[in-house]
Amino acid sequence: EAGVTQFPSHSVIEKGQTVTLRCDPISGHDNLYWYRRVMGKEIKFLLHFVKESKQDESGMPNNRFLAERTGGTYSTLKVQPAELEDSGVYFCASSQQQGPRFYEQFFGPGTRLTVL
Amino acid sequence: KNQVEQSPQSLIILEGKNCTLQCNYTVSPFSNLRWYKQDTGRGPVSLTIMTFSENTKSNGRYTATLDADTKQSSLHITASQLSDSASYICVVSGPSDNAGNNRKLIWGLGTSLAVNP
Repeated sequence: EAGVTQFPSHSVIEKGQTVTLRCDPISGHDNLYWYRRVMGKEIKFLLHFVKESKQDESGMPNNRFLAERTGGTYSTLKVQPAELEDSGVYFCASSQQQGPRFYEQFFGPGTRLTVL
Repeated sequence: KNQVEQSPQSLIILEGKNCTLQCNYTVSPFSNLRWYKQDTGRGPVSLTIMTFSENTKSNGRYTATLDADTKQSSLHITASQLSDSASYICVVSGPSDNAGNNRKLIWGLGTSLAVNP
């Protein structure tokens, strides 16, 4: 089974520009999560989709961040306009809605975002 | 203050040796405690998941313990291999919602383990 994939693996942009990160979850996984790790800090939750609906977006830092999951398949996370403090590694994870391993989240390799 | 504290911050051991990593947490109530292994440039991979009623769980050479009373967990690695070099992260999950979804995972900073030949 293919794992969670993320694109791009790296992105370097200037302050004020827009960047869109993409996550393709494991096929059949209704739950999709976004996390971020800022250098020197712990990984932090951003938001959680169940299919196309936002279940919890309490971790989104501000309204410059917009996440979508149209059709309940892949998800995008757009940062507009990017600021220096947005630099970090953005991880996506997915999990089943039911079944013996429904609580286990499978992570993608992450997108390293650098804002100059 | 982070709700999940790990020690040591980093550790260097020789191949073949054992080691134990520690995790203290203040998350309450919690649903489960997880240990993840993260290789450089990769996403975290789950090693063990324990509910509050479980005291120990093994996955090959990895054995995790949990004391829900003292809110402490440990990860013991036996007969270390070079491929064990990675960051080991303790993660606590808050209570599930009514749909059984585990929501926010609360992460520690991790212990960086280097296994030298």
